[in-house]
Amino acid sequence: KAGVTQTPRYLIKTRGQQVTLSCSPISGHRSVSWYQQTPGQGLQFLFEYFSETQRNKGNFPGRFSGRQFSNSRSEMNVSTLELGDSALYLCASSLVGSMNTEAFFGQGTRLTVV
Amino acid sequence: AQSVTQPDIHITVSEGASLELRCNYSYGATPYLFWYVQSPGQGLQLLLKYFSGDTLVQGIKGFEAEFKRSQSSFNLRKPSVHWSDAAEYFCAVGSPTSGTYKYIFGTGTRLKVLA
Repeated sequence: KAGVTQTPRYLIKTRGQQVTLSCSPISGHRSVSWYQQTPGQGLQFLFEYFSETQRNKGNFPGRFSGRQFSNSRSEMNVSTLELGDSALYLCASSLVGSMNTEAFFGQGTRLTVV
Repeated sequence: AQSVTQPDIHITVSEGASLELRCNYSYGATPYLFWYVQSPGQGLQLLLKYFSGDTLVQGIKGFEAEFKRSQSSFNLRKPSVHWSDAAEYFCAVGSPTSGTYKYIFGTGTRLKVLA
């Protein structure tokens, strides 16, 4: 059974550019959530999608957006990149999006903004 | 506000020694509680979780954790640490009732194991 796949694994972008990160959940999982991990702020919740609907959003500026497709794959987009957006971006998938079911994390996308 | 505190940023133990990682939470009600482990360059792996019932929960890799409601704590323990346990450990809470899948993570404890 394939795990959660995040692509690309590494990205280098320039300030002001935009970037799109992809997350393919475990087959059959309908919930995908995204987290930003930085040394200073730790792991912070970005947003969660369930059956193509955003159910929750963290405290991030509007430059951060996401979506989920009918096959449950999810993308997140960051526009007008800033140096502070450099981070490891992790996504997690769960079967039914209820917290008493296990979430599985991908290996993350390491974004570096220069 | 909901929060998770892991007071120890770094812990160093010798291989074979016992381990306890501390976690305290602030939450309106009893949340779901989790411990995750992250090896360098990797995602997060679930070690164990507490939803209800027996307050001592067993997890993978020989880890266990005890929920203490009176202390709002969920400390992780292992009787004998192996060199492969060196990693970063995160305590997290989740809401049983929010209708969304969202973790609030602690800042993590980095474990170093001496041979």
